[in-house]
Amino acid sequence: DAGVTQSPTHLIKTRGQQVTLRCSPKSGHDTVSWYQQALGQGPQFIFQYYEEEERQRGNFPDRFSGHQFPNYSSELNVNALLLGDSALYLCASSWDRGRSGNTIYFGEGSWLTVV
Amino acid sequence: SQQGEEDPQALSIQEGENATMNCSYKTSINNLQWYRQNSGRGLVHLILIRSNEREKHSGRLRVTLDTSKKSSSLLITASRAADTASYFCATGTGTASKLTFGTGTRLQVTL
Repeated sequence: DAGVTQSPTHLIKTRGQQVTLRCSPKSGHDTVSWYQQALGQGPQFIFQYYEEEERQRGNFPDRFSGHQFPNYSSELNVNALLLGDSALYLCASSWDRGRSGNTIYFGEGSWLTVV
Repeated sequence: SQQGEEDPQALSIQEGENATMNCSYKTSINNLQWYRQNSGRGLVHLILIRSNEREKHSGRLRVTLDTSKKSSSLLITASRAADTASYFCATGTGTASKLTFGTGTRLQVTL
């Protein structure tokens, strides 16, 4: 059973460019969330997708956008990249059926460096 | 913003010793999850504890939750060099699976 998979593993972009990161959730999971983790910090919630719609959003600008596909996979897009966007981007998946919290699994992340 | 703080920020112990990490949070929660992160890698789920639970065990791990004090602790018994990693607590406030993370504890286990 494959866990949460993310691509690419590493990438380098130039300021002002756009980037797309991809995530496939764990089998059977329908909810995907994205987190940004700067060096030495804890992960920060960006947004969450459920049933192909953005359900919750953290304190991130509109340059950060996403999408969820019918097969539950997801993309994170960041436009007009800034140096401060350099971070590890983590995808998380879970199965949301109204229980008081379900185990949330994370992928290995995508390292983004903006130069 | 960070929900909570882990204490200590860094911990160095010898193999075979026990390691205790504490987590404090600010708002009411629905559940709390502990994760391990090796340098530059993704997060590995360790334990989930719900707000109506006080203690859970998994192998060498023991987690406690005190909702009156808004705090949790993670105990790793008989630590191994392979336990060297950063440990994060993350709180959930509802059925939706958004998590708010603390700042992490860096654990170093030496031979």
